[in-house]
Amino acid sequence: DAGVTQSPTHLIKTRGQQVTLRCSPKSGHDTVSWYQQALGQGPQFIFQYYEEEERQRGNFPDRFSGHQFPNYSSELNVNALLLGDSALYLCASRSQGALTLHFGNGTRLTVT
Amino acid sequence: GQQLNQSPQSMFIQEGEDVSMNCTSSSIFNTWLWYKQDPGEGPVLLIALYKAGELTSNGRLTAQFGITRKDSFLNISASIPSDVGIYFCAGLTGGGGSNYKLTFGKGTLLTVNP
Repeated sequence: DAGVTQSPTHLIKTRGQQVTLRCSPKSGHDTVSWYQQALGQGPQFIFQYYEEEERQRGNFPDRFSGHQFPNYSSELNVNALLLGDSALYLCASRSQGALTLHFGNGTRLTVT
Repeated sequence: GQQLNQSPQSMFIQEGEDVSMNCTSSSIFNTWLWYKQDPGEGPVLLIALYKAGELTSNGRLTAQFGITRKDSFLNISASIPSDVGIYFCAGLTGGGGSNYKLTFGKGTLLTVNP
C-alpha cells in the first residue's frame, strides 16, 4: 500500500523561474493538500484540492497555484520564484470526510 | 489567524527518561493530531484525539485532548534513541469536508542521549 509520493525530492531553481512539483496521494485518498515548511518551522497550509477544484486556500500569493487530476494526483506550481520560496514542500492526502492527514516526504526547493 | 504555542522548543534528555510536551492556543479545536518528523522526511502521524478530555496511547506515547479544547499534551515514556526527531502538534477546525483546516505548532526538537 503506497503512501503519499512526491517528485522530485530535491530541486534547485533560479530567482524568477517557475517550478512544478508533483504528488500522488495515498491509495484510497481523494483529497490533497499542499504545505510549505520553512527551516525550523511547522508546515504552513497552502491549499487543498478535492474533485479537481481548489476548495480552500491559505495565506499564499497567486504565484502559488495548483491542479488536481482525475486520478487524484496533484501538482503545485510556483511562478516568479523568490529566494524566500526556498523550503520543503509537503503534499498530504486524506479521504474526504476523514480527519487524519498523511504526508509525503516532501520536495526540497532551493531558490538561488 | 489561529496560532499554536508549542513548548518546549527543544529538549535534551537521557535514554530511559520520560518526556512531556504540550500545545496551547487561544482558539478551540475539534481534533488534535500529533506528528513526528525525522530529518529529510515528512511528518508521520502518531496519535489522533477527537474528543475533549480524551486520553489515547500508542505504545510508549500518550496524548490528551484538553478539557477546554484549547490545549493538548504528548508524553513519551522510557525514551530510546530512535525517539529523536521533531514533534509537531496540529489542531483541526472545520470538519472532514472542504472546511478542513489544520494548524501546526512550531515543533519540539527532541534529542536523546544514549
